[in-house]
Order: sequence, then C-alpha cells, then structure tokens
Amino acid sequence: QKEVEQNSGPLSVPEGAIASLNCTYSDRGSQSFFWYRQYSGKSPELIMFIYSNGDKEDGRFTAQLNKASQYVSLLIRDSQPSDSATYLCAVMGTSGTYKYIFGTGTRLKVLA
Amino acid sequence: NAGVMQNPRHLVRRRGQEARLRCSPMKGHSHVYWYRQLPEEGLKFMVYLQKENIIDESGMPKERFSAEFPKEGPSILRIQQVVRGDSAAYFCASSPQRGNTEAFFGQGTRLTVV
Repeated sequence: QKEVEQNSGPLSVPEGAIASLNCTYSDRGSQSFFWYRQYSGKSPELIMFIYSNGDKEDGRFTAQLNKASQYVSLLIRDSQPSDSATYLCAVMGTSGTYKYIFGTGTRLKVLA
Repeated sequence: NAGVMQNPRHLVRRRGQEARLRCSPMKGHSHVYWYRQLPEEGLKFMVYLQKENIIDESGMPKERFSAEFPKEGPSILRIQQVVRGDSAAYFCASSPQRGNTEAFFGQGTRLTVV
C-alpha cells in the first residue's frame, strides 16, 4: 500500500464547475496535510495546508480533512482554465523525522 | 524576500561525471528537503537535512549519492559517476522548523545525462 494515494486522472471539469480532488494516506498518526499545485515543467507551489479535522477555506479553495477515514480532499470552486495543472497531496508523517511524503498527483483539466 | 534558490537550473553531464546541485533555503529556514521527479511522476523523497545534520536519508540510493548542509553556504546534493537513469528534475524545499509547517520549493535543477 502506498503511503499517499491519489487518482492520477486526468480529471476534466467545465469552466465554472467545482473540481474535487481526493487523497488517502496510510499513516494513521499523520498530523499535517498539504496541497501543492504543479504546472508542467514548473516547481510545486503551496496552495494550502490543514491540520485539524473539518474544512479550511482560502478563496476558491477548500481543504477537507477526515482523520478517521484517513482522507483529505481539495475543492476548487469556480474552476478556471488557469487551474489546469497537477495537484499534489503531501502528508507529514509521525515516523520520527517529519518528512513530507507526496502522492503521485492528480492532473486536472478545466475545459473552457 | 528571496525564495528557495536552486542552481543551476539546467545541468548536462556525460556519463561518469559528477553532478553538484545547490540549494539555498529561504531566509530563516534551517530545514532542507531534496526530492527527485521523473517525467509524469510524483515527487520522490530523497533526503532531509538540518544545518550540519542529516536527519533522514532513507530515500537516497546507497551508492553515488550524497548530501550535505553545512553551517555556512547552500545545501549540496552530489551525484558521482552519473548514469542515464539519474536524468530527472531535482527539487529542493525548505521549512523554518521541524513538523507541522509548510515547505516551499525552489525552481528545481533539471539534470540531463548524455
């Protein structure tokens, strides 16, 4: 079982729709969860992070965390073609060294 | 307010040569992480360093790869005797502390072995 799993996609949504990106993780003791966006040929850029169960909103982005289900998601409201990118989920584990473990990413396509 | 700086941005090496990748963390950050990314793949953890210490090198290949983060100067990822399979994008990230904090990435070094 992979430590952090994401559907590779591509996930296609029409412009203006809500895009929902999902991520599951295996380390039940994980404390911190991060979403990064990576455009093709570029470096990952941090979108948002979440530590507590529930929802966290930042502009058009909402991160949702359910530690009991070991599940974290990212919702993008009013999706724009410029949101087309690969979205990487990262989890900081508790196995002593606090390194960031990344999923393989979900490719999102927003259709104009 | 400079971000994480990596250089060079592009590096071409012949098989058997050495590659040195540099990473200067954001101001105030003392924790550095190195990742490797192959085309169309995710970020694979390589090594986590704090100033003068290797905290976790569980993702580093046993041979030819080494990393350091000296008291002064940038963190260095060194690949000796490069092979074609080392061709990848190498990203560095930094954070201000250990645990429960965001990490920010540099622009990466794209290594091509010919």
